Amino acid sequence: DAKTTQPPSMDCAEGRAANLPCNHSTISGNEYVYWYRQIHSQGPQYIIHGLKNNETNEMASLIITEDRKSSTLILPHATLRDTAVYYCIVRVANTDKLIFGTGTRLQVFP
Amino acid sequence: KAGVTQTPRYLIKTRGQQVTLSCSPISGHRSVSWYQQTPGQGLQFLFEYFSETQRNKGNFPGRFSGRQFSNSRSEMNVSTLELGDSALYLCASTLQGRDTGELFFGEGSRLTVL
Repeated sequence: DAKTTQPPSMDCAEGRAANLPCNHSTISGNEYVYWYRQIHSQGPQYIIHGLKNNETNEMASLIITEDRKSSTLILPHATLRDTAVYYCIVRVANTDKLIFGTGTRLQVFP
Repeated sequence: KAGVTQTPRYLIKTRGQQVTLSCSPISGHRSVSWYQQTPGQGLQFLFEYFSETQRNKGNFPGRFSGRQFSNSRSEMNVSTLELGDSALYLCASTLQGRDTGELFFGEGSRLTVL
């Protein structure tokens, strides 16, 4: 199973862009990259996912390198409410099995 | 529409007992998966059910089991509880599983084993 590695923590000033990196060098060609976040041990909240093209939604942008070995989640204008643990995840093809990394604790400060 | 509902939200058991946790998926969703979250191991996949059949299983001992009913509701059971089973147990549902959309998580059941 493909694994992901993330920095344990990051800081970001409110209003600035938060760029969260993730390495997934063993990802298979048909496995998707997902990002979720978790606040205070609540259920994980979906952010975005992608296969090989860059993706954008109302919450964030996902940039996946051409070789698919790494990706970056971008929160364009971080707010205090974005303080959370962000998980970069590989979804095993044709399953609902998510392989979570250890996550990045993002602290947004005023 | 209502989200994924897990019950109970909190429970305390003692070693050797067993526990059953329940998950009601979003209406119309037929696939349910379970995850365990502990401080030491993080979030780990337990199992996945679709149409009452277990399709996938994580690397957990046989004390961990589950099932899915015809209405897509799912239960998981842990027998002969150990201290290390203390965790947040999360359930997620999708429309039909194996698609590429979002998994919707519940708020979890927090189990404490004394």
